[in-house]
Amino acid sequence: ILNVEQSPQSLHVQEGDSTNFTCSFPSSNFYALHWYRWETAKSPEALFVMTLNGDEKKKGRISATLNTKEGYSYLYIKGSQPEDSATYLCAFSFSGTYKYIFGTGTRLKVLA
Amino acid sequence: EAEVAQSPRYKITEKSQAVAFWCDPISGHATLYWYRQILGQGPELLVQFQDESVVDDSQLPKDRFSAERLKGVDSTLKIQPAELGDSAMYLCASSHRVANYGYTFGSGTRLTVV
Repeated sequence: ILNVEQSPQSLHVQEGDSTNFTCSFPSSNFYALHWYRWETAKSPEALFVMTLNGDEKKKGRISATLNTKEGYSYLYIKGSQPEDSATYLCAFSFSGTYKYIFGTGTRLKVLA
Repeated sequence: EAEVAQSPRYKITEKSQAVAFWCDPISGHATLYWYRQILGQGPELLVQFQDESVVDDSQLPKDRFSAERLKGVDSTLKIQPAELGDSAMYLCASSHRVANYGYTFGSGTRLTVV
């Protein structure tokens, strides 16, 4: 059974706080990891596609790191804003399959 | 900006009835996916098409679910008969043959079976 785990399941932070959450995945036969942001009543939106161990990607106040040897990725949000409130999903793929397995997501609520 | 179109946005149906969802992917995307997300869980792949061919339907409950992408463009997912446990969000996504830029998702169809 292939498990992609995300933690925490949910969290509330105050506006201006920085926060981070984790995606854990099998460390063997890694192909790629995706991060998505899913706002209520909208489509999931791709944030990052990560393929190399040690990758760091950044988009505005959001950044992500990847450690394929130990099987985890961190997503960081600096100076959280209410518009960052969403569910953040990661999806992992094994080499040679192109099939992505999603985690259950981290639901972030940023309080004004 | 190109979008993945899905309809309907919401559907309420009685159990044992038939229901169908439609998806029109991004033009030029060879790969189309149907995912189901049950509340509190991550999206689960039901079926993956490469052009008009099914490449993965291992998690599709084939006794009641069917999916087609006849001309390799838009796709229909059907449930017959619907059961209470089918209540979920049904998401369609598309990508290039290898999803190097991630998936583009539609807004989903929220199905409630009563």
